[in-house]
Amino acid sequence: GENVEQHPSTLSVQEGDSAVIKCTYSDSASNYFPWYKQELGKRPQLIIDIRSNVGEKKDQRIAVTLNKTAKHFSLHITETQPEDSAVYFCGHTGGGNKLTFGTGTQLKVEL
Amino acid sequence: GAGVSQSPSNKVTEKGKDVELRCDPISGHTALYWYRQSLGQGLEFLIYFQGNSAPDKSGLPSDRFSAERTGGSVSTLTIQRTQQEDSAVYLCASSLTYRSKDTEAFFGQGTRLTVV
Repeated sequence: GENVEQHPSTLSVQEGDSAVIKCTYSDSASNYFPWYKQELGKRPQLIIDIRSNVGEKKDQRIAVTLNKTAKHFSLHITETQPEDSAVYFCGHTGGGNKLTFGTGTQLKVEL
Repeated sequence: GAGVSQSPSNKVTEKGKDVELRCDPISGHTALYWYRQSLGQGLEFLIYFQGNSAPDKSGLPSDRFSAERTGGSVSTLTIQRTQQEDSAVYLCASSLTYRSKDTEAFFGQGTRLTVV
């Protein structure tokens, strides 16, 4: 009940295009869904998060949507830039209130 | 203010030796997590401390792994009789509390462990 599945594992887009990463979970008690970005050789850093009482949240070029009924949430990056290239992790806190992560998506933005 | 600090940054050890990895969380943060990240892999949950509650050890891969958190602050992850498959980056993270809106987890820079 604590696992979260993340797709795709790798994603390559042209600069300026949009990128979408999707995660699904099974624990109905999950209530907090953060997204972390990890650049090569650096620590993961929070870029956006959403709570179970909200369906969508936007911050400039980044948005996250949550569908509690279907138990999935997605990260949307618009107008991608080379500096968006990184590994992205979705996370959630389940019934045990611990923070676990998906397996990560390697995003490459090509010029 | 200071972020999450981990030491050492790098550790090379011989197979069979014990190692201790240290994490200093952000002051006042009640939740502390340990994760393992193998090369090119995801963030594997190991253990979670929340205040004075019993830790969630469900992610520890074997009984060679253990962790303590003294005084609700500093944490030490101990790996006994290290094996080559233990080689990875060990990341620590802390957050203020899981019940408030301030649940962002801040990561340390990690300890890169190499078992030779």
